[in-house]
Amino acid sequence: AQSVTQLDSQVPVFEEAPVELRCNYSSSVSVYLFWYVQYPNQGLQLLLKYLSGSTLVKGINGFEAEFNKSQTSFHLRKPSVHISDTAEYFCAVNTNAGKSTFGDGTTLTVKP
Amino acid sequence: DGGITQSPKYLFRKEGQNVTLSCEQNLNHDAMYWYRQDPGQGLRLIYYSQIVNDFQKGDIAEGYSVSREKKESFPLTVTSAQKNPTAFYLCASSKGQGVYEQYFGPGTRLTVT
Repeated sequence: AQSVTQLDSQVPVFEEAPVELRCNYSSSVSVYLFWYVQYPNQGLQLLLKYLSGSTLVKGINGFEAEFNKSQTSFHLRKPSVHISDTAEYFCAVNTNAGKSTFGDGTTLTVKP
Repeated sequence: DGGITQSPKYLFRKEGQNVTLSCEQNLNHDAMYWYRQDPGQGLRLIYYSQIVNDFQKGDIAEGYSVSREKKESFPLTVTSAQKNPTAFYLCASSKGQGVYEQYFGPGTRLTVT
């Protein structure tokens, strides 16, 4: 079985500042990693994913994430956030054998 | 446009009544999922289906039932046995497991009083 830990439940940040949302995972088999974003009262939508290859992946809205196998992490970053980035962010892990496992989410609040 | 639809957006029921939440997809995806979302608890898997006429219990299946008679439809029934049914319910689909991401519907907010 796999598990996902999002290390911060809430991250407040000022507009135009950089942000990092942290995600660690554990699994005994190879994993595929995803970040999703959820705006209030909506479903989730995919930000980016790591399947294989380059450990730095770029997604929509200027977000990127780096897969670190030795630290079993997949942290999400953005160099300069906007008010519109205020949302909840979920890290998720897939394996070939099982269903997806989601973290508990990180609420990003961007303040003016 | 391809996507997932959930209806209704808001649903109100009296305690003791069963209620069915609709989920339809036109993405031709084999796998479909139901999640429950409560504040601060992330997504918890209720049921999932990898193929028509087959489904498996997730982590919190008690008090819920599903059917998968058609590839594009995966309705969820919240029964009167569910002790705390008020929540935000999300339906999702994917081409399969592993490398495939999930596509989510807009959700149904169920309030039971």
